[in-house]
Amino acid sequence: KQEVTQIPAALSVPEGENLVLNCSFTDSAIYNLQWFRQDPGKGLTSLLLIQSSQREQTSGRLNASLDKSSGRSTLYIAASQPGDSATYLCAVPYNAGNNRKLIWGLGTSLAVNP
Amino acid sequence: DAGVIQSPRHEVTEMGQEVTLRCKPISGHNSLFWYRQTMMRGLELLIYFNNNVPIDDSGMPEDRFSAKMPNASFSTLKIQPSEPRDSAVYFCASSSWTGGSYNEQFFGPGTRLTVL
Repeated sequence: KQEVTQIPAALSVPEGENLVLNCSFTDSAIYNLQWFRQDPGKGLTSLLLIQSSQREQTSGRLNASLDKSSGRSTLYIAASQPGDSATYLCAVPYNAGNNRKLIWGLGTSLAVNP
Repeated sequence: DAGVIQSPRHEVTEMGQEVTLRCKPISGHNSLFWYRQTMMRGLELLIYFNNNVPIDDSGMPEDRFSAKMPNASFSTLKIQPSEPRDSAVYFCASSSWTGGSYNEQFFGPGTRLTVL
């Protein structure tokens, strides 16, 4: 059974720091991995989607890497800003036949302090 | 496109009342997902539809919950009767499915449900 874990659960850093969020999954046979951002009281916004054949994806100051064999993904945020404060979630599809539901981590709550 | 639209944004009701949550997916998307989010359990998939057909409803907690998708542009999640433990934020998401290729999900703003 696929399980997704995110560490740490919460992180507080000063503005300008580079930081890494971790996501691990127990079954390496994943289709892809997706990182989301959730602001307080809001819905989720997709940040990056890495296909299983890819090693990393970049969008602006964000870089997500994927190591299927070790069951890990990292989200790297460069030069963090207060506006990056949010909860970051990772998710992998649970593929069984026609089943495309996502298995979610509980998220990392990030606070970037000015 | 306006994105995924959910209504109402907030709902406060009393135990035993019927609650109906509504969702309009992004035009052209053929998959629709209903999620529930709580502090304790995080995000849980309740049910998802592909081409208006329910594919997996194993996450629906019990018979008090039901979901329908009468057409490609509208879905409802109904709770009858509601209980205090149903209090949560309910999200709807949509995506496009192109035969073997999984595409990212886009989320609505959610409905915050409080059952007193």
